[in-house]
Amino acid sequence: DQQVKQNSPSLSVQEGRISILNCDYTNSMFDYFLWYKKYPAEGPTFLISISSIKDKNEDGRFTVFLNKSAKHLSLHIVPSQPGDSAVYFCAASVINDMRFGAGTRLTVKP
Amino acid sequence: DTGVSQNPRHKITKRGQNVTFRCDPISEHNRLYWYRQTLGQGPEFLTYFQNEAQLEKSRLLSDRFSAERPKGSFSTLEIQRTEQGDSAMYLCASSLVTGGNTEAFFGQGTRLTVV
Repeated sequence: DQQVKQNSPSLSVQEGRISILNCDYTNSMFDYFLWYKKYPAEGPTFLISISSIKDKNEDGRFTVFLNKSAKHLSLHIVPSQPGDSAVYFCAASVINDMRFGAGTRLTVKP
Repeated sequence: DTGVSQNPRHKITKRGQNVTFRCDPISEHNRLYWYRQTLGQGPEFLTYFQNEAQLEKSRLLSDRFSAERPKGSFSTLEIQRTEQGDSAMYLCASSLVTGGNTEAFFGQGTRLTVV
């Protein structure tokens, strides 16, 4: 049961432009959403999160938007940098029980 | 290094053999998760512990898989009679759950190859 979906397996953007990564979920019980970044041969690294009581959370170049009615969240990275190139996983949680999407590979070209 | 530690980093084993992986969480964290990740997929939930209690197990966790966290600190994941389909990255994560939601921190994973 894939409760969290990332429908774009890859995304390529130019350095300095905005990267938008999308995520959809099906379980309306999820109340906490997270984005993780993963480099090859490393475990996922926590990036940013948002509670279901909010619709936006910002941390530097990273902003997560949550649309509960659409069961959709997105991660905006602006400006994108080559070092942002990695696989990004969306995760949704209820009572700290996390489920992950399949990931989107972001490539930021210099 | 006070992060989540997993050992070994890599394991190659012959089909039918048993393997055991170890995870040392961040010391004050009370929750510990095991996930499995295969190529092109996100981490798939296997099981989690709250302190020493195993609270949930995924349907993915067949009878050949067993996990323990005997003293609420480190955890082990054992796979008996390994099959080629068990080849994957096994990820451990930990978090400090005090009532609200919180992020989990992952280790670098153990890559299992069954030949």
